[in-house]
Amino acid sequence: SQQGEEDPQALSIQEGENATMNCSYKTSINNLQWYRQNSGRGLVHLILIRSNEREKHSGRLRVTLDTSKKSSSLLITASRAADTASYFCATGKTSGSRLTFGEGTQLTVNP
Amino acid sequence: DGGITQSPKYLFRKEGQNVTLSCEQNLNHDAMYWYRQDPGQGLRLIYYSQIVNDFQKGDIAEGYSVSREKKESFPLTVTSAQKNPTAFYLCASSENGRQPQHFGDGTRLSIL
Repeated sequence: SQQGEEDPQALSIQEGENATMNCSYKTSINNLQWYRQNSGRGLVHLILIRSNEREKHSGRLRVTLDTSKKSSSLLITASRAADTASYFCATGKTSGSRLTFGEGTQLTVNP
Repeated sequence: DGGITQSPKYLFRKEGQNVTLSCEQNLNHDAMYWYRQDPGQGLRLIYYSQIVNDFQKGDIAEGYSVSREKKESFPLTVTSAQKNPTAFYLCASSENGRQPQHFGDGTRLSIL
């Protein structure tokens, strides 16, 4: 299985609810990043958390990282219909410059 | 505004034909990347370049070739050796390997 696996594969919620997506990985990392992709578009970087950080916030986004469990979560609070998109985690290894992406979570926020 | 431009947005390839996808960035980034995305899937790395005149194979380089003659440009050629080229191709750049990647809006390649 791949480095960076998201869970769940698909999530459907109502506007105003919170959305939580999880990511697991297998090897040591330097950083973990979350990206968003609207249908048919490129990815947009949301947030980067380094291996020595445990939690990071950006607006309505909260990311946690647990290196002992090799897992991360992305929480979107007070979701909006415009948050409907696919969300990907990507891991950067300790050495090297490449990222490894997971297969993504498709989030649908119903108005 | 700085960004990454991919062209064309849609591209059709005939059997036995090579096609080249363009990727240009004006962000002054050293590193550039090419990914392939199949429907409902994540991104798989084809090639990446950390500096001009140097590039490395990613996980699925077979049937593809690249060049990096200028810092701003990283074209991808899909050769006739790539038997299943139908996919969404995304180009990205980053300041260096440890920074977030900025993406273009992709090229969708189909077979005629």
